Amino acid sequence: GAVVSQHPSWVICKSGTSVKIECRSLDFQATTMFWYRQFPKQSLMLMATSNEGSKATYEQGVEKDKFLINHASLTLSTLTVTSAHPEDSSFYICSARARGLAGTDTQYFGPGTRLTVL
Amino acid sequence: KNEVEQSPQNLTAQEGEFITINCSYSVGISALHWLQQHPGGGIVSLFMLSSGKKKHGRLIATINIQEKHSSLHITASHPRDSAVYICAVVLTGNQFYFGTGTSLTVIP
Repeated sequence: GAVVSQHPSWVICKSGTSVKIECRSLDFQATTMFWYRQFPKQSLMLMATSNEGSKATYEQGVEKDKFLINHASLTLSTLTVTSAHPEDSSFYICSARARGLAGTDTQYFGPGTRLTVL
Repeated sequence: KNEVEQSPQNLTAQEGEFITINCSYSVGISALHWLQQHPGGGIVSLFMLSSGKKKHGRLIATINIQEKHSSLHITASHPRDSAVYICAVVLTGNQFYFGTGTSLTVIP
């Protein structure tokens, strides 16, 4: 089946640094990728929707200047957490939407990236 | 009120038991996903359903669109099935709503 990868799987950084997380669709082209954040014992929360070649659409309350999303190709989207702070520590998950036969869409989830900001 | 409700929130079972996790939703959907999240956080898509029933190995997922309800069944449960199982519904326009998950522990 379709696979979505994320890199890195975990990262620890100092407060104030920027961290880039990559999301790749490995065997399909994803016109749309989604970025989610999950705090401990909470549900996944959508941060932004990213369409290839256009600006991402951010959910209410998500700072677009802090969470930079680039969807430069049909197989790669990146999320950059700029000037990370301890409260940004979370589990970040991407998903990619594949267009199937007869126009049906399927969404595949990446394994997630655990970010710890010291 | 959550658009997606899962039950139970926590479940402990003996190895070999038949397990059922339920998901109810209150909105019209185009599809429903069952996801498995392992202790390390990694997520695996188990099923995507828009009607009927799907089976993969020891896992079975059913959905009743009229009753806005889905169930995930695990037959002959095993300790490696211990994980959080998340129900996610897809609205038209591809907006997702996630349940808060069911934490399953299978004891040897």
